Amino acid sequence: GENVEQHPSTLSVQEGDSAVIKCTYSDSASNYFPWYKQELGKRPQLIIDIRSNVGEKKDQRIAVTLNKTAKHFSLHITETQPEDSAVYFCAAIGQAGTALIFGKGTTLSVSS
Amino acid sequence: GAGVSQSPSNKVTEKGKDVELRCDPISGHTALYWYRQRLGQGLEFLIYFQGNSAPDKSGLPSDRFSAERTGESVSTLTIQRTQQEDSAVYLCASSLDIHTYGYTFGSGTRLTVV
Repeated sequence: GENVEQHPSTLSVQEGDSAVIKCTYSDSASNYFPWYKQELGKRPQLIIDIRSNVGEKKDQRIAVTLNKTAKHFSLHITETQPEDSAVYFCAAIGQAGTALIFGKGTTLSVSS
Repeated sequence: GAGVSQSPSNKVTEKGKDVELRCDPISGHTALYWYRQRLGQGLEFLIYFQGNSAPDKSGLPSDRFSAERTGESVSTLTIQRTQQEDSAVYLCASSLDIHTYGYTFGSGTRLTVV
């Protein structure tokens, strides 16, 4: 089955800096890679996703890149703000018609 | 409904008791998923449903855990003879169908076994 590794587990940056979180996956058949943000005590919310037919996707300050050959994908947040502080989870889906498998999460702290 | 509803939001139970957790997905969403999140940990997959069928039960931690779903609506996750290690937040999510991956999560049920 699919296995997703996420690094780093914690990340501290200064406001305005960039943050990068990386994930690797094991199943070469995986074709969908979302990122979720979970603020303290709240539900995870989808912030961006990418499918295997593209290499990069951007949405304002957030971007995701995918390297299918190396089986890794990354979340990039530019011009970080204190409200970006949260736990971020990557996920991948292996066989079509199964469930998302999540990484263990990255706690991002943005200090002003 | 407008979102995924889970009840109760909090549950404290004594070790050895059975508990039932409920998830009401978004209306029209045929796929439903259960995850467990221990304190400070990631989301651990438990089980998913397409309609009322559960093709993959591999994530259920033990035979004390079971889940069912009525048609394409409410699902219940039952934990029998609860143990302290069952303490966690149990999250439910739904999506349009098993091939549409935009999950919407509920707020979760925080289970504490004392």
